[in-house]
Amino acid sequence: GNSVTQMEGPVTLSEEAFLTINCTYTATGYPSLFWYVQYPGEGLQLLLKATKADDKGSNKGFEATYRKETTSFHLEKGSVQVSDSAVYFCALLDPYGNNRLAFGKGNQVVVIP
Amino acid sequence: DAGVTQSPTHLIKTRGQQVTLRCSPKSGHDTVSWYQQALGQGPQFIFQYYEEEERQRGNFPDRFSGHQFPNYSSELNVNALLLGDSALYLCASSSQDQPQHFGDGTRLSIL
Repeated sequence: GNSVTQMEGPVTLSEEAFLTINCTYTATGYPSLFWYVQYPGEGLQLLLKATKADDKGSNKGFEATYRKETTSFHLEKGSVQVSDSAVYFCALLDPYGNNRLAFGKGNQVVVIP
Repeated sequence: DAGVTQSPTHLIKTRGQQVTLRCSPKSGHDTVSWYQQALGQGPQFIFQYYEEEERQRGNFPDRFSGHQFPNYSSELNVNALLLGDSALYLCASSSQDQPQHFGDGTRLSIL
């Protein structure tokens, strides 16, 4: 079945540091890939997406590139701010049109001033 | 333009009880999906409704049921509540191939 794997554990870093969160997936076919962000006490917000190989999604300084050869969709940001502290989820959309999302376990990101 | 709204925001129940959660989709959306998010985990797909029918279902028991109304709003019902049903329940709406938009969820606690 379809699945998403995110790197283990929370990520703690200083303001203006570089952020990388790893995401790999398993799927038949070519799914669409997403990053969602969840702030405390809130639901999920779509951060960025990519629908085919080599696509780069970007938003608010975050970027992720759809790598078919490594089945990865790693999230990066060059200079994080305290306001980026949140939980980040990688997700894929079933490639056969069922419009159901499969999520990774999420990564807590804490940015220290 | 209101986004996805869910009610109530918090709910406390005891084992064996039944609960109903509600969701109003974003304007223009006709598909509603429900997810369960246990503490420290990613959301898990429960089921999806389109045209008032359950279109697909995840790996959840029959104690979980739902409904979609003609105005596209939806309900999630859970019977015979178990301690393990304690979670954040998220509703997401979408239209055709557009990305899903999520509500803020209902936090359900089972005592």
